[in-house]
Amino acid sequence: AQRVTQPEKLLSVFKGAPVELKCNYSYSGSPELFWYVQYSRQRLQLLLRHISRESIKGFTADLNKGETSFHLKKPFAQEEDSAMYYCALREETSGSRLTFGEGTQLTVNP
Amino acid sequence: NAGVMQNPRHLVRRRGQEARLRCSPMKGHSHVYWYRQLPEEGLKFMVYLQKENIIDESGMPKERFSAEFPKEGPSILRIQQVVRGDSAAYFCASSHSSGGAFHEQFFGPGTRLTVL
Repeated sequence: AQRVTQPEKLLSVFKGAPVELKCNYSYSGSPELFWYVQYSRQRLQLLLRHISRESIKGFTADLNKGETSFHLKKPFAQEEDSAMYYCALREETSGSRLTFGEGTQLTVNP
Repeated sequence: NAGVMQNPRHLVRRRGQEARLRCSPMKGHSHVYWYRQLPEEGLKFMVYLQKENIIDESGMPKERFSAEFPKEGPSILRIQQVVRGDSAAYFCASSHSSGGAFHEQFFGPGTRLTVL
């Protein structure tokens, strides 16, 4: 069965420092990977998907099939990046059903 | 567009009672998904519905849980004879037609169920 693992429940960095949120997955087919973000008192929302290969709010994520990883990176963290981040996987045959990781709470300190 | 609406936002039930959670999708969306988030865990898929159809219920517990999305009105997630282990946040999401391709899911604010 497919599985998404985010090894860090909590991650704390200082403003301006690089940040990397780790995500590993297990799936035998061709997955589609996403990062979702939930800011304080807001709804869960899509941040980026690997297919689009774009940078959103300075964040990028590259799908590494060899390492089965989809780590989220930003070179210079900002205080407004503090949020809960979820990595999610969509199976090629499941329509839109998503499998989520457990989430990483990112805190960017001033 | 008010986005996906869920009500109630908080629901308290005693063991053995029924819980009904409602979800109104975004305007123009015909697909609804329900996810459950237990404490300290990620969101777990429960069920995927179109109007009057259950498309995928592979994540639904076999007993006590049911879902519907009628032609008119919101989608309902119903939990009969609730137990303490049902305490969780229940999130609804909606999207445009799927058709095998991914369409972004827009999430509601969630309903937090507490079973006493």
